[in-house]
Amino acid sequence: KAGVTQTPRYLIKTRGQQVTLSCSPISGHRSVSWYQQTPGQGLQFLFEYFSETQRNKGNFPGRFSGRQFSNSRSEMNVSTLELGDSALYLCASSLLGDTQYFGPGTRLTVL
Amino acid sequence: AQSVTQLGSHVSVSEGALVLLRCNYSSSVPPYLFWYVQYPNQGLQLLLKYTSAATLVKGINGFEAEFKKSETSFHLTKPSAHMSDAAEYFCAVSDGSNTGNQFYFGTGTSLTVIP
Repeated sequence: KAGVTQTPRYLIKTRGQQVTLSCSPISGHRSVSWYQQTPGQGLQFLFEYFSETQRNKGNFPGRFSGRQFSNSRSEMNVSTLELGDSALYLCASSLLGDTQYFGPGTRLTVL
Repeated sequence: AQSVTQLGSHVSVSEGALVLLRCNYSSSVPPYLFWYVQYPNQGLQLLLKYTSAATLVKGINGFEAEFKKSETSFHLTKPSAHMSDAAEYFCAVSDGSNTGNQFYFGTGTSLTVIP
């Protein structure tokens, strides 16, 4: 089976812009989770989607949002980018209540 | 909420020496426990997971971890370090709930292998 894919792999934006990241889960996986990874804060949970519904949400401002489509693909959006949003954004997919499998991540740089 | 503590943000070992990375969790019920490895500019790769079938869990690349409920620990070990083991290691816990698959990660331990 193909693994989790994330696009794009690298992204450069300027402050105030918005960005959309995409994640395609492993075939058959209906749960998709998003994480932000920075050197200072480590891995921080953003949100989890299952069957197009957000089930869990981390402690991030409303500028961070996501959605999941009927084919389980997920997108996350960050509006009004700030310098502090520069990070590696990781997506993980899983079967219900099981191991999370991670994609390679999207490296976002905000200038 | 559950939490995971990884003691030692940086660990250095000589090539061929024992690797021991520590992880303690807080949970009132037996959780699912995981170790992941991350190489530079890559995502997290599953090393092994504990799901109550056996307290000693063997993973990939010669790693293993032992679940000790009395100590709420799940330390990762490898008898002999290899240069290719240099990476960031994360311990994680999940309640494996059918209503939400939230993982809680430790802050990570960076392993350096000295030739």
